[in-house]
Amino acid sequence: GEDVEQSLFLSVREGDSSVINCTYTDSSSTYLYWYKQEPGAGLQLLTYIFSNMDMKQDQRLTVLLNKKDKHLSLRIADTQTGDSAIYFCAESISQGNLIFGKGTKLSVKP
Amino acid sequence: DAGVIQSPRHEVTEMGQEVTLRCKPISGHDYLFWYRQTMMRGLELLIYFNNNVPIDDSGMPEDRFSAKMPNASFSTLKIQPSEPRDSAVYFCASSLLGAGEQYFGPGTRLTVT
Repeated sequence: GEDVEQSLFLSVREGDSSVINCTYTDSSSTYLYWYKQEPGAGLQLLTYIFSNMDMKQDQRLTVLLNKKDKHLSLRIADTQTGDSAIYFCAESISQGNLIFGKGTKLSVKP
Repeated sequence: DAGVIQSPRHEVTEMGQEVTLRCKPISGHDYLFWYRQTMMRGLELLIYFNNNVPIDDSGMPEDRFSAKMPNASFSTLKIQPSEPRDSAVYFCASSLLGAGEQYFGPGTRLTVT
C-alpha cells in the first residue's frame, strides 16, 4: 500500500541549513506537502509542490522533488531555534486522503 | 476566523466510559477530517466528511468508534466503551478543497486509565 518514509530525527546548529528527506510510494500523487507541528499544537501547512515541478522556493524554504526516485526534500536556510518542530511529509492519494510520514523531529542548537 | 476549534483540550477518563470529542470546522470549509496521533503509529486518518456526509471511514479502528456531522459547523467523535489503548491525541482538521490544504485544530489529548 501507500507509504511515506522519513528519518525520525535531525539536529543542526543555528544558522546552518537543514535538509529533511522523505520518500513516498504512490507515483500518481498530484501534490506533495510539508506540514510543521510545534509542541502541543496541530499540524500547520508549510508548503506544497505540484508533481510536475522539480523545485519550489518560498523565502527560507526550498522544496526539491525527484519524481523518478519518489524523493522529496525540504531545505530550511539559516535555521533558527524557532524552527524546532516536527516536520511531516505527506502525499495526496485521493481527493480526501493524505498519507503522512511519521515526522522528522528537528532540533536546533544555539 | 478563529480556526478549527476542538473541545475538550484534555480528557482523562476510566476504561469503559463513553468519551465524546467535539470539533467546529472553519466556516465555509466543505471537508472535515478526524485523525489520531500516537508515538507508535504516527498520524492516522480515522474518517473524513465532505458536505457533512461520511466519505471514508476505513480508518476507524473498530465499532467502538463512531463519528457524526449533523451540520456544517459541528462534528463529534465518540468512543464507547473507551479502552487504555485509545489514549492518544485526536485532531480535527478542515479544508476547502479536499485533502491537501488542511487546517488543524489544537487537538484533544485523551488519556484512558
